[in-house]
Amino acid sequence: AQSVTQPDIHITVSEGASLELRCNYSYGATPYLFWYVQSPGQGLQLLLKYFSGDTLVQGIKGFEAEFKRSQSSFNLRKPSVHWSDAAEYFCAVGRIDSGGSNYKLTFGKGTLLTVNP
Amino acid sequence: KAGVTQTPRYLIKTRGQQVTLSCSPISGHRSVSWYQQTPGQGLQFLFEYFSETQRNKGNFPGRFSGRQFSNSRSEMNVSTLELGDSALYLCASSLASEETQYFGPGTRLLVL
Repeated sequence: AQSVTQPDIHITVSEGASLELRCNYSYGATPYLFWYVQSPGQGLQLLLKYFSGDTLVQGIKGFEAEFKRSQSSFNLRKPSVHWSDAAEYFCAVGRIDSGGSNYKLTFGKGTLLTVNP
Repeated sequence: KAGVTQTPRYLIKTRGQQVTLSCSPISGHRSVSWYQQTPGQGLQFLFEYFSETQRNKGNFPGRFSGRQFSNSRSEMNVSTLELGDSALYLCASSLASEETQYFGPGTRLLVL
């Protein structure tokens, strides 16, 4: 089945440490790829997106993500985490469905990030 | 530009009642999508409207319905509420179906 996988349910890092959140997808063609962040009780904020072109994408708040076609991955990275980055992070894949007419955004289950002082 | 707004932000209902949630998209956006978020199932797609027409629908029962008005504002309705309908309902708007979706703050629905 077509899916989006975020293997890590919960990650804890120390403030100032580097961060990498993993995302893998299982679709035949290269879909549109997104990372969103959600703070408690809030909606989703777009961090960055990949449609085509340069496989290293820069986003807001110092985040970046790299698309690797061979690994069907779109991992999110940040060189130095701040306490305010504590939140839940969602990878999402946008693609046309198998019928060929409807576009749909499918989300991973999310990774909860805890930042220790 | 103002972001996506959703009203109400919080709602408490009892089983069997119905509820209507509202979403105002970013100005100029014509596509509105709705999602249900629960701890167990995560984010699940409900439906998408574009220019007052439902373009796509997720795997939810017919109790879940929606509509879009000529100004692109959208409403979703849930009839005969069940305990399992307790969730955060998120609305997202985009210029068109395949464009980037921007989310509102959500409506937290609690069914007692």
